[in-house]
Amino acid sequence: ETGVTQSPTHLIKTRGQQVTLRCSSQSGHNTVSWYQQALGQGPQFIFQYYREEENGRGNFPPRFSGLQFPNYSSELNVNALELDDSALYLCASSLGQWNTEAFFGQGTRLTVV
Amino acid sequence: AQTVTQSQPEMSVQEAETVTLSCTYDTSESNYYLFWYKQPPSRQMILVIRQEAYKQQNATENRFSVNFQKAAKSFSLKISDSQLGDTAMYFCAFIATRFGAGTRLTVKP
Repeated sequence: ETGVTQSPTHLIKTRGQQVTLRCSSQSGHNTVSWYQQALGQGPQFIFQYYREEENGRGNFPPRFSGLQFPNYSSELNVNALELDDSALYLCASSLGQWNTEAFFGQGTRLTVV
Repeated sequence: AQTVTQSQPEMSVQEAETVTLSCTYDTSESNYYLFWYKQPPSRQMILVIRQEAYKQQNATENRFSVNFQKAAKSFSLKISDSQLGDTAMYFCAFIATRFGAGTRLTVKP
């Protein structure tokens, strides 16, 4: 059974650029959630995908978008990067939506300069 | 909107002793799930314990237990026989969507 893997582990982008972060969910999981964790803070929910459909969204602007693929892997896309987008981005997969244990990846550290 | 509050930014405990981390939340829902997650320096979040709101019995996982007070909207985590490996950030979470700001726990030898 493979765990949740995220790529890349670290990334540096320039303000105004676009970035794509990737997440491979744990085998058998059909739900992926994305979080932004600023330094010293708790994770902030961005959105969740369940069986390829967006299933809930936090308080993030439309320039944060995502996809879930038939194999349940997922991408987080951020357009027009801002300095405040610098954070650790966490992906979590689960079997089911809101009530089951989520398994987290190790995150992607994004730095916007 | 649901909010989760962890009022203790940092705590420390001696090895083998017991420590309790506090969490309160706000919701108008009656059926939900609460979680405690641990985030060590390696960054990977690990589930510690889960509580279903419709169950009155407090959840227990080995040295970890919760005190769930639904009416008071309180969900504290008790760690017994603290070990050095328990040193980490601990986050309380309401369902999958709302996390507290975390408590940094240091276990001292």
